[in-house]
Amino acid sequence: QLQLQESGPRLVKPSETLSLTCTVSGGSISSSSYYWGWIRQPPGKGLEWIGNVYYTGITNYNPLLKSRVTISLETSKNQFSLNLRSVTAADTAVYYCVRRGYSGLGEDRWFVPWGQGTLVTVSS
Amino acid sequence: EIVLTQSPPTLSLSPGEGATLSCRASQSVDRLLAWYQQKPGQAPRLLIYDASDRATDVPARFSGSGSGTDFSLTISSLEPEDFAVYYCQQRRSWPITFGQGTRLDIK
Repeated sequence: QLQLQESGPRLVKPSETLSLTCTVSGGSISSSSYYWGWIRQPPGKGLEWIGNVYYTGITNYNPLLKSRVTISLETSKNQFSLNLRSVTAADTAVYYCVRRGYSGLGEDRWFVPWGQGTLVTVSS
Repeated sequence: EIVLTQSPPTLSLSPGEGATLSCRASQSVDRLLAWYQQKPGQAPRLLIYDASDRATDVPARFSGSGSGTDFSLTISSLEPEDFAVYYCQQRRSWPITFGQGTRLDIK
């Protein structure tokens, strides 16, 4: 069964870079069948899609965050990562890593599964 | 960007009652819409995909309908574990977007 687990610093200073890693177990991120991505949720608020990366390295980003975001693969470690630059307090959120199917039919084309999420706070 | 508007923001009902949640898209998403359930402190869970298909292990009391711009999630008879926040999401076009959520509270 595929499992995703986020890791990284829980506290980041304003203007610095937020960096998170998602470790994938039970499956390979080198599969041509899936996107690997990130979604965030500010405390008490709704869900915001950040972006995703395909096994080729091709990325798609939310235009609202595109200028500050990089999502990349680390295939040797079966991990993918999120870097969000120049953070402010508005970037405080629970960050989830997710998988979504690239092609075909069925529930795989949607966000399944999700990591448990990690709360990152931006504060000095 | 496709904007998804969910209504109502909050719905207060009692166990055993039926619930209908709405999601309206700013432009057609065909049937490329999903519903997720989120309980406090947990990640969202996929309930319904492609507008009306139940995800794995989702009880039959959950059903989805709609196409184009208007969608509904119906819970036929509320169980205590159904009180949560529900989000719709579209993948018809980039960027992927979510609705703002409907909170289903116990009355």
